[in-house]
Amino acid sequence: AQTVTQSQPEMSVQEAETVTLSCTYDTSESNYYLFWYKQPPSRQMILVIRQEAYKQQNATENRFSVNFQKAAKSFSLKISDSQLGDTAMYFCAYLFYSSASKIIFGSGTRLSIRP
Amino acid sequence: GAVVSQHPSRVICKSGTSVKIECRSLDFQATTMFWYRQFPKQSLMLMATSNEGSKATYEQGVEKDKFLINHASLTLSTLTVTSAHPEDSSFYICSASKPGVELEQYFGPGTRLTVT
Repeated sequence: AQTVTQSQPEMSVQEAETVTLSCTYDTSESNYYLFWYKQPPSRQMILVIRQEAYKQQNATENRFSVNFQKAAKSFSLKISDSQLGDTAMYFCAYLFYSSASKIIFGSGTRLSIRP
Repeated sequence: GAVVSQHPSRVICKSGTSVKIECRSLDFQATTMFWYRQFPKQSLMLMATSNEGSKATYEQGVEKDKFLINHASLTLSTLTVTSAHPEDSSFYICSASKPGVELEQYFGPGTRLTVT
């Protein structure tokens, strides 16, 4: 069975600093997708970034980038120049695309950005 | 865009009653809709997957007779919590995917259910 593990329940950094959130996963599949979702205090889930497993190049979206290590089954999220609005729960997630596609979420990391 | 709404945003009901939560895709037709449950400070747990016009597929451990899901149209899915108990109090989130883009899920804002 596929699992997603986030080993950092909480993190706190100063505004403008860089922070890296860790995620590991377990799967026997070779083609799949990985995501980072953000859930701010409003509870609205927001897609931050997506990585296709068949792509070697790490995905980036403005201040957000990932370090995807397929062999190690590691998928970390780096947030550069952190902002107060980045304060949220961050969930790492996995999807094996099939006729019964469903996302498996990690337990989450609560990130606080201090002014 | 891809906007998903949920109604109500908050609901309080008495133990033993039933409550219905609606999930609507506002600007697209949803092939599939998903229902999640989130306890405080915990992750999202998938409850069931529903496709328009067919029966929902429930995850292991989810009581299908207690959590009734109806996906009557391509833009509306409903979750009915029957004979609610205080332990059903939780945050319920739906998501929807577009035809041909099933790997992308668009999330609703969630519904907080409190059973007294």
